[in-house]
Amino acid sequence: GAVVSQHPSWVICKSGTSVKIECRSLDFQATTMFWYRQFPKQSLMLMATSNEGSKATYEQGVEKDKFLINHASLTLSTLTVTSAHPEDSSFYICSARDGPGVQPQHFGDGTRLSIL
Amino acid sequence: DAKTTQPTSMDCAEGRAANLPCNHSTISGNEYVYWYRQIHSQGPQYIIHGLKNNETNEMASLIITEDRKSSTLILPHATLRDTAVYYCIVRVLFGNEKLTFGTGTRLTIIP
Repeated sequence: GAVVSQHPSWVICKSGTSVKIECRSLDFQATTMFWYRQFPKQSLMLMATSNEGSKATYEQGVEKDKFLINHASLTLSTLTVTSAHPEDSSFYICSARDGPGVQPQHFGDGTRLSIL
Repeated sequence: DAKTTQPTSMDCAEGRAANLPCNHSTISGNEYVYWYRQIHSQGPQYIIHGLKNNETNEMASLIITEDRKSSTLILPHATLRDTAVYYCIVRVLFGNEKLTFGTGTRLTIIP
């Protein structure tokens, strides 16, 4: 089945640091990937849609200069949280779909980001 | 995409069938019903999807009412590992690929 891998699974860093999270589709190509954020006891909220070879589409209220997305290949999208602050601490999850139409999205295992 | 309504929480005894309802009364003809679950501290896991016919796979069965305004996910023999938050999501077939997650149903399997 379709597998989406995220790295790292957990990161702790100091305030002001920039953190990069990778999302890979291991056995399929994905022209589109999605980045979500989940705060404790809340549901997943879509942050942005990552498009291979073009600019990402951000949801309303998500700062594109804060959350940099690069989708340079059909199997890799990266999310960089720039100058992270404690309020950016959250569970970040990516997803991708392995085909058009009704094919479901498959999710990575998420990255837990803790900013001290 | 149409909005879905699910109970906040449910309990089910281990070994019994878990039936999780979902209301999507505003669903349109080109929207599919998808079910995902999220075990604590993991990414969501795809379970099953359907349009209007009942569907079954190795994980679960999906029963969609004839008017398509509601559906039920059935886990035939629940185990402790099925304890998770279950999300029912409606998505249009073509165009907007986004998945909009609601609050889901927290299913607890009781030993």
